[in-house]
Amino acid sequence: QKEVEQDPGPLSVPEGAIVSLNCTYSNSAFQYFMWYRQYSRKGPELLMYTYSSGNKEDGRFTAQVDKSSKYISLFIRDSQPSDSATYLCATGIQGAQKLVFGQGTRLTINP
Amino acid sequence: EAGVTQSPTHLIKTRGQQATLRCSPISGHTSVYWYQQALGLGLQFLLWYDEGEERNRGNFPPRFSGRQFPNYSSELNVNALELEDSALYLCASRPLGSYEQYFGPGTRLTVT
Repeated sequence: QKEVEQDPGPLSVPEGAIVSLNCTYSNSAFQYFMWYRQYSRKGPELLMYTYSSGNKEDGRFTAQVDKSSKYISLFIRDSQPSDSATYLCATGIQGAQKLVFGQGTRLTINP
Repeated sequence: EAGVTQSPTHLIKTRGQQATLRCSPISGHTSVYWYQQALGLGLQFLLWYDEGEERNRGNFPPRFSGRQFPNYSSELNVNALELEDSALYLCASRPLGSYEQYFGPGTRLTVT
């Protein structure tokens, strides 16, 4: 079993839709959580970072962490074609420092 | 503020050769991380360097090695290249006191 599970998609939605991306993890020691966006042939770009359960909002993006269920989500409101990319969830343990990534979900927003 | 930079962009090597990849972190960041992104395998942690020392290592053979220089830039060396080493190699840096990692554009290594 992978430490972080993420549906690879692909996911295709119309422009303006609300997108929900999800990951589950197995290790209760994971303490911090991130979402990255990766365009084709580019490096991952940090979108959101959370350290605790609850919601964190930044513009059209909301990250949600439920540590009791070991479930993390990223919501994108008013999705745009420029949001088309692969979205990666990542988590880590204080001290170990390495990030453990999900497989990534390929998202396409259709105009 | 300049981001993480990596060189070269592309690297083509023959099986058995050695590859050297370079990374310059964001100014002020002292920790550097290396990850491998191979097709179908996702992003895998390789190495973590901080203050010139190797702090953690992923599940990779010893032919993957590296170092960090006094200016905090880093080098990843891959010896005895194998075909399955073909991947995008990503470098990330982290500011002191935070867990956020910022990635560079990567070096695409192709082994033929």
